[in-house]
Amino acid sequence: NAGVTQTPKFQVLKTGQSMTLQCAQDMNHEYMSWYRQDPGMGLRLIHYSVGAGITDQGEVPNGYNVSRSTTEDFPLRLLSAAPSQTSVYFCASSYSVTGLDNTGELFFGEGSRLTVL
Amino acid sequence: GESVGLHLPTLSVQEGDNSIINCAYSNSASDYFIWYKQESGKGPQFIIDIRSNMDKRQGQRVTVLLNKTVKHLSLQIAATQPGDSAVYFCAENIEANNLFFGTGTRLTVIP
Repeated sequence: NAGVTQTPKFQVLKTGQSMTLQCAQDMNHEYMSWYRQDPGMGLRLIHYSVGAGITDQGEVPNGYNVSRSTTEDFPLRLLSAAPSQTSVYFCASSYSVTGLDNTGELFFGEGSRLTVL
Repeated sequence: GESVGLHLPTLSVQEGDNSIINCAYSNSASDYFIWYKQESGKGPQFIIDIRSNMDKRQGQRVTVLLNKTVKHLSLQIAATQPGDSAVYFCAENIEANNLFFGTGTRLTVIP
């Protein structure tokens, strides 16, 4: 299985440009999420989805949009990139993160490193 | 909001010794905790989890201890190997469908 696939792995943008980070999973997971990772701050949740057609905000949603038209895909859109969005972005999927019915293990992609100039 | 914290940002151990990585959490409502390992340039990988109705859980060479009285979580790695060198994160499930991560501890294994 490919697991969670993110593209692109690296991207450089100019301030004000828009772009979409792609995420796809082949494990039939209902739950998908986007995190950003900054030095010394761990991973912070941007947006998440508990199934197709359902999305919700995480801890740091401003400046990002998401949609979930299929179970497999969960793209993250930067509407107008800012230098503060320079970060490493991780997409993750899971059966559940509550651990109630199964392990709450999140399966992470390899990350997308974004630099905004 | 509540956040997960770590006592030590870095930890160095000799190969073959046991490692203990600590994590403090502040939300007493948290009922599920997970440890992740992140190697350089990769995404985090699941190590072990524990629910709040348990105080200990063991895996292969790893043990997680949960002390709800002092809101403390620890990850013990037995016979630490060079391949264990990584950043370790604890995460807690406070709200449904959200996992909150700590800032991480970097473990360096000295050969």
